[in-house]
Amino acid sequence: SQTIHQWPATLVQPVGSPLSLECTVEGTSNPNLYWYRQAAGRGLQLLFYSVGIGQISSEVPQNLSASRPQDRQFILSSKKLLLSDSGFYLCAWERGSETQYFGPGTRLLVL
Amino acid sequence: GENVEQHPSTLSVQEGDSAVIKCTYSDSASNYFPWYKQELGKRPQLIIDIRSNVGEKKDQRIAVTLNKTAKHFSLHITETQPEDSAVYFCAASYTGTASKLTFGTGTRLQVTL
Repeated sequence: SQTIHQWPATLVQPVGSPLSLECTVEGTSNPNLYWYRQAAGRGLQLLFYSVGIGQISSEVPQNLSASRPQDRQFILSSKKLLLSDSGFYLCAWERGSETQYFGPGTRLLVL
Repeated sequence: GENVEQHPSTLSVQEGDSAVIKCTYSDSASNYFPWYKQELGKRPQLIIDIRSNVGEKKDQRIAVTLNKTAKHFSLHITETQPEDSAVYFCAASYTGTASKLTFGTGTRLQVTL
């Protein structure tokens, strides 16, 4: 069966510091991968998606970036965090069925 | 781009009653409509989905209806139980190379005893 991992689970970072969040999927190959952000008490906003290694599409202009160095690895990064980057970051995967399955998420607090 | 509106934002029902959550979408090309349940601090979990070639789908106490002409879809939960209390999100996407979901703003459902 398929499993999706995210780490770290929680993170507290100062404004201006860098960020790297990692997402890995097990039990499938060539998945589509997605990064969403959920602000406190709000809905989910699609940030990036990838249909293959090295292929990244950005949905919202911001100071975040994404990379897919391996088939089942998706990384979300920032060079300098802003207060507004705080939120719950969720990675999701799907493969040909349209149904997206979410990882456990990373809760980021920028102070 | 797609825009999804969801109502109500909060809903309180008594145990055993039915709950209905409604969503509208703007892009007539959207063809996939999932519903997710999110408990406090947890990841969203898919509870049911419907595709545009189907008008209604049911899974035990949960059903979803889709009206493509009016561009709205609804979630129906019957015989509600306390464990149904959570935030529910609708979403819509057009499935091409990737399925880019646009989410509604969520409905907080509270089932009271």
